[in-house]
Amino acid sequence: SAVISQKPSRDICQRGTSLTIQCQVDSQVTMMFWYRQQPGQSLTLIATANQGSEATYESGFVIDKFPISRPNLTFSTLTVSNMSPEDSSIYLCSVEVWDGPYGYTFGSGTRLTVV
Amino acid sequence: GQQVMQIPQYQHVQEGEDFTTYCNSSTTLSNIQWYKQRPGGHPVFLIQLVKSGEVKKQKRLTFQFGEAKKNSSLHITATQTTDVGTYFCAANRDDKIIFGKGTRLHILP
Repeated sequence: SAVISQKPSRDICQRGTSLTIQCQVDSQVTMMFWYRQQPGQSLTLIATANQGSEATYESGFVIDKFPISRPNLTFSTLTVSNMSPEDSSIYLCSVEVWDGPYGYTFGSGTRLTVV
Repeated sequence: GQQVMQIPQYQHVQEGEDFTTYCNSSTTLSNIQWYKQRPGGHPVFLIQLVKSGEVKKQKRLTFQFGEAKKNSSLHITATQTTDVGTYFCAANRDDKIIFGKGTRLHILP
């Protein structure tokens, strides 16, 4: 199954700044997914990133706030822009795995604290 | 849109007791997946169920998919401290998966 390297693992940022999170997959994948998980909560899908096209955002998430890049089939970035304390959360990337038991593999997550 | 409701939200059990979490949908699901997230970790895929009435086992874990494909359960027999974490069910919607709210399992020694 796919292995995802996600970085940074954690960061503390000043409000008003931006943070870019990177995910590198060890195999080519069509779609990459970005999730937010607030403490003690479930995972909420932010957007789906396809290579060569604009990301598709879920209700409540906009491109200006969470711009996504997908330059190739193994890499994607999510930027959290103009951060406020409400953006403090864990951000995870994920890919769908077809090789072996079907399922979704997640990166290790980025724990973001905005002060 | 399609949602999956998961209960209970929390469960405290004595080590050695059994544990069950339930997932329900108002609509028929094409499949259901289960994930485990250890404290401080990320979700890890456990299993996918596709067929009506399907039952799968992984050691002490038993997964069931309802006949109507609208509900599912995860049962752990004789819990151990390593079972601590949050268990999520998830269902496919279009080209993505939607997660239940999860059941957080706490084991009392």
